[in-house]
Amino acid sequence: DIQMTQSPSTLSASVGDRVTITCRASQSISTWLAWYQQKPGKAPKLLIYKASSLESGVPSRFSGSGSGTEVTLTISSLQPDDSATYYCQQYNSYSWTFGQGTKVEIK
Amino acid sequence: EVQLLESGGGLVQPGGSLRLSCAASGFTFSSYAMSWVRQAPGKGLEWVSTISGSDGSTYYADSVKGRFTLSRDNSKNTLYLQMNSLRAEDTAVYYCAKLKWPIVATFVDYWGQGTLVTVSS
Repeated sequence: DIQMTQSPSTLSASVGDRVTITCRASQSISTWLAWYQQKPGKAPKLLIYKASSLESGVPSRFSGSGSGTEVTLTISSLQPDDSATYYCQQYNSYSWTFGQGTKVEIK
Repeated sequence: EVQLLESGGGLVQPGGSLRLSCAASGFTFSSYAMSWVRQAPGKGLEWVSTISGSDGSTYYADSVKGRFTLSRDNSKNTLYLQMNSLRAEDTAVYYCAKLKWPIVATFVDYWGQGTLVTVSS
């Protein structure tokens, strides 16, 4: 199975900061990667698919980049509503794997 | 509007069985792959199983293979997860998930609200 290593595990930033989360895959996943946002007690929400395609309705401050074994999620200007845990998911095959999550806190 | 409504969760003893259901609406159910993803308390997301929207093929995580069975009834727009030989480590919120395409190697575009399964004596 493909292992996904997400970093950092937690980050604390101020409103307006640029924030970057990285996922590294144990083997190439091309651009078969999605990013989800999850708030406490809620289901995850799709943000980005195919590494860099923004899901409809998602604010443009979210962006994704990368391919192969390293992909990133960037929040260009952190907002209070962005406080959540973010997960990457590879779907290179039927056996998906998720990163362990990055908890984003607002200072 | 896409809606996924899970049911069937609850408390079960180790070694017991439970069947989860997911009632889908707002899309052509038979045309899409569907999955279950679980989340143990305070932990991350774990893929459990997927069923194809094209040929009904099923796929399982190694952790549940041989114990869980995924099926779908396209006439009732319902997804099922039969869980047997349950273990304490199966305790989690189970999310029903609609995939973007009929194929299994794709991402989730809609999630249910989740149903809690607790395995404990």
